[in-house]
Order: sequence, then C-alpha cells, then structure tokens
Amino acid sequence: QKEVEQDPGPLSVPEGAIVSLNCTYSNSAFQYFMWYRQYSRKGPELLMYTYSSGNKEDGRFTAQVDKSSKYISLFIRDSQPSDSATYLCAMRAQDTNAGKSTFGDGTTLTVKP
Amino acid sequence: GAGVSQSPRYKVAKRGQDVALRCDPISGHVSLFWYQQALGQGPEFLTYFQNEAQLDKSGLPSDRFFAERPEGSVSTLKIQRTQQEDSAVYLCASSPAGPDTQYFGPGTRLTVL
Repeated sequence: QKEVEQDPGPLSVPEGAIVSLNCTYSNSAFQYFMWYRQYSRKGPELLMYTYSSGNKEDGRFTAQVDKSSKYISLFIRDSQPSDSATYLCAMRAQDTNAGKSTFGDGTTLTVKP
Repeated sequence: GAGVSQSPRYKVAKRGQDVALRCDPISGHVSLFWYQQALGQGPEFLTYFQNEAQLDKSGLPSDRFFAERPEGSVSTLKIQRTQQEDSAVYLCASSPAGPDTQYFGPGTRLTVL
C-alpha cells in the first residue's frame, strides 16, 4: 500500500461546479501538505501549502487538512475550463534536512464549458 | 523572470548507454530537487541539494544514478548503463530556501529502447 493514496479519477464536471479532490495518507509524521496542478507535458505548479491541521483559502481554492483522519482535501469553487489538469497532493515530514516530498498519483479533472 | 529550465527536453537512449540531464534553477535559489515521474504516476523524490551539498539522496534507485551540483547552481543527473525501467520524465525543482515552495521545470522525457 502506498503512503499517499489519491483517487485517480478521471473527474468530469460542468463549468461553475464545485470540485472536491481528496488524498489519504498513512504516515503520521507528515506535517506539511501541498497541492499541485500539472498540465499535460508540463511540470507541477504549487497551488496551496498548509502546515498541520486546518483550512486555508486562496481565491477559488480551499485546502483542508484533518490530521486525526489522515485526510486532506482541495476544493475548487466556480470551476473553469482552464482548471482542467491533473491535481497532485504531496506531503512532507518535519526533518531538518528532509527534502523528500511524497506525492499521490494525481486526479485528472476535466471542466466542460 | 526565467523559470527552471531543463535540457534536453527529450532524450532517447539505447539500453546500456549513459545519459546526463541538466537543470538550470531559478537564479539565487538555494535548494534543488530531482524527481522521477513515470507515466500516470506522481513524481517520486530522487535527491535534494542545498547549495552544493547533497543533503538527501535516499530516493536514488540504484548506484547507476548520480547527481551533482558542484557550484551550487546548475545540476546534472547522470544515469549510467540505462535500463528500460529508467524510462520516465525527470523533473527538476528549485526553491529559494527549504523544500516548501518548489518551482518545477518542464522535465526531460527519457525513453530507453
């Protein structure tokens, strides 16, 4: 079993819908949680970064972390066709020299006009 | 400003050949990361540099993989005696400080025949 599990989708929604993307994890040492967006044949782009439990909002995006359930979510409001991409969750433990982030395998989202 | 650049963008190698992949990070970025992304999967951490020091190489899959960043700027990932299972996209990312805000390059797609 992978340390980070993510529903691969694909997920297809109409423009304007609210999208919910989720990841579960097994390593209780993870303290830092990230969401990336990756367009086809491009590198990932950081969308949201959160530390420990709680909510964080940035424009149409809201990230939630529930450490007790080992569950994180990304919500996209008023989804647009330009949001069509693969969304990757990533997480990292707190360690002085740790550079390692562990990624999920991504959820592919299509927003239809 | 210029983002992270990688070269070549595409590389085809015959099994057993050595390859070298280059990463030019964003100017002034202290941290540099290499990831391997297989088709349909999330990036897998390979190694992490802070300036010229390689702080974490726990993700390198075998001793055929070697990375360096001799002057704390440009980095090279070298793969010796390539195997078919090395076929993947190799992503480089840089960060102004630690591992939390990573800017990814477009990747090098390596195909080993």
